[in-house]
Amino acid sequence: AQSVTQPDIHITVSEGASLELRCNYSYGATPYLFWYVQSPGQGLQLLLKYFSGDTLVQGIKGFEAEFKRSQSSFNLRKPSVHWSDAAEYFCAVVGSSNTGKLIFGQGTTLQVKP
Amino acid sequence: ETGVTQSPTHLIKTRGQQVTLRCSSQSGHNTVSWYQQALGQGPQFIFQYYREEENGRGNFPPRFSGLQFPNYSSELNVNALELDDSALYLCASSPALAGGTDEQFFGPGTRLTVL
Repeated sequence: AQSVTQPDIHITVSEGASLELRCNYSYGATPYLFWYVQSPGQGLQLLLKYFSGDTLVQGIKGFEAEFKRSQSSFNLRKPSVHWSDAAEYFCAVVGSSNTGKLIFGQGTTLQVKP
Repeated sequence: ETGVTQSPTHLIKTRGQQVTLRCSSQSGHNTVSWYQQALGQGPQFIFQYYREEENGRGNFPPRFSGLQFPNYSSELNVNALELDDSALYLCASSPALAGGTDEQFFGPGTRLTVL
């Protein structure tokens, strides 16, 4: 069965420091992978997505992610974190090419210290 | 362009009651998906509607049902509410049958509390 694991439930970084959020997936075929961000009281906003091609994908708000098939990982990175990046981050994989059913990880809460 | 909207924002019900949540999809979108997000968890797929027909269902009991209307808005109905149904319910729309590559645009959600 398809699944997504985000090993870090909570991460705290200082403003201006670099960030890496981990995501591991389990999926038999070529995965479609997504990173979403959720701020309090808000819905989910898409940061970036990977379907095929270049394994390093760029997203909005200065985020990027790298797909590593050998490690079944799709980690999210940002070189310099801003206080406004504090939010909940979800990695997701599409479970079926027919329904577009998104399978989400448990999420990682990012706290940014001034 | 209006995004995905959901109503109501918050709702409190008691066990055994029934509830209807509503979603208006983004203009031009004909696919709507519903997700349940329990506190501290990632969203879980409930079902998807495409052109008024159910197109895929997650691991939820039949007391979770839905509708999609000709204008592509949607309802989620939950009968015989249980305490564990307390969650944030998210609606997402996409411009076509979400065959994996189409982005799903999420609404702000409806927070349901069952007492």
